[in-house]
Amino acid sequence: DTAVSQTPKYLVTQMGNDKSIKCEQNLGHDTMYWYKQDSKKFLKIMFSYNNKELIINETVPNRFSPKSPDKAHLNLHINSLELGDSAVYFCASSQGGERSEQFFGPGTRLTVL
Amino acid sequence: AQSVTQPDIHITVSEGASLELRCNYSYGATPYLFWYVQSPGQGLQLLLKYFSGDTLVQGIKGFEAEFKRSQSSFNLRKPSVHWSDAAEYFCAVGLMDTGRRALTFGSGTRLQVQP
Repeated sequence: DTAVSQTPKYLVTQMGNDKSIKCEQNLGHDTMYWYKQDSKKFLKIMFSYNNKELIINETVPNRFSPKSPDKAHLNLHINSLELGDSAVYFCASSQGGERSEQFFGPGTRLTVL
Repeated sequence: AQSVTQPDIHITVSEGASLELRCNYSYGATPYLFWYVQSPGQGLQLLLKYFSGDTLVQGIKGFEAEFKRSQSSFNLRKPSVHWSDAAEYFCAVGLMDTGRRALTFGSGTRLQVQP
């Protein structure tokens, strides 16, 4: 019954590896997001998809590539992982425009060694 | 560009005491305003939101917030804090009519509750 789910919850990997994080929402929302929370708890938007179309792409290295196979899924693939990529990545979803509540997933803690 | 400031990084209150967490935003027009709470190891949960109308909004868990346009503030309050309120609190701004559906977050305030 989880509204927004992410897998895996923890991800530990070596520098240079490629990894993916998956996100699924069962709320029927039309917009999904990826946020990054750094070690100081600062949250920043990375990407936003509306009906499978990319609408926000912040200043994120092109090693990060989101993919939305359908409205309910938004995956994040990261190539050539770097130490600075270590963070907690949150997926979120919402229905409608700017005034809509965003529902957040539990987060994926990525540790790059 | 819009920004959100939470001046207090860390606040400690005694259980049963009142609480006020500060939030200031910088934006040319009235934004949509949110308060989220993050418990340790958890995702973010919406406490309350302001879009328009009554400037005092009620949220879940006994929280309320007041929008003050003249001060560009949206402070979060609770009259009596419970130990379970210990968490990280984030103020966030959503922009009107821009098509930009992402939130801009403040840096968070960590609340510690003493017995």
